Amino acid sequence: AQTVTQSQPEMSVQEAETVTLSCTYDTSENNYYLFWYKQPPSRQMILVIRQEAYKQQNATENRFSVNFQKAAKSFSLKISDSQLGDTAMYFCAFMATSGTYKYIFGTGTRLKVLA
Amino acid sequence: EAGVAQSPRYKIIEKRQSVAFWCNPISGHATLYWYQQILGQGPKLLIQFQNNGVVDDSQLPKDRFSAERLKGVDSTLKIQPAKLEDSAVYLCASSYLAGGTDTQYFGPGTRLTVL
Repeated sequence: AQTVTQSQPEMSVQEAETVTLSCTYDTSENNYYLFWYKQPPSRQMILVIRQEAYKQQNATENRFSVNFQKAAKSFSLKISDSQLGDTAMYFCAFMATSGTYKYIFGTGTRLKVLA
Repeated sequence: EAGVAQSPRYKIIEKRQSVAFWCNPISGHATLYWYQQILGQGPKLLIQFQNNGVVDDSQLPKDRFSAERLKGVDSTLKIQPAKLEDSAVYLCASSYLAGGTDTQYFGPGTRLTVL
């Protein structure tokens, strides 16, 4: 069975600084997707970034980038130039491309951006 | 493009009562998911539909939870009778491609409190 671990329950960062959120996962699958989702307070979850396991190049979306280490089963999220609007819960998720394609979520990291 | 709609947004009931939640996915999305998100945890998949068929309901407590997706569009999730431990946010999500290999889009959720 797949598992996703986020070992940082809470983090804080000063506005305009850079922060990295950690995620590790365990799987025997070779083909899968990894995601970071953001859930702002009392608002709905939205996709931040996704990574296909077969791609060696790390995904980037504006200020958000990942460090995908397939051998180490590590998938960290880097947020550059942090903004107050980045304050949210961040969830790492895994999806195998075999079987039912269901997501396995981590327990989340609560990020607070300080002014 | 309209997002995933859910209602009600909030519901308070007493234990042993019944409750139903409604979800309307993004138009054209084949796959629909119901998640349970307990406070402080990541979302847990309850049931996954592809069109109007069930793909995965392995984590659905079938003695009290039921779900249907008539005509492959909107869906209802029911709890009968509710227990205190059912207090959670119930999230609905949908994805475009059959098989769910595309990104999931989440609704705002229904926050259920069982007293």
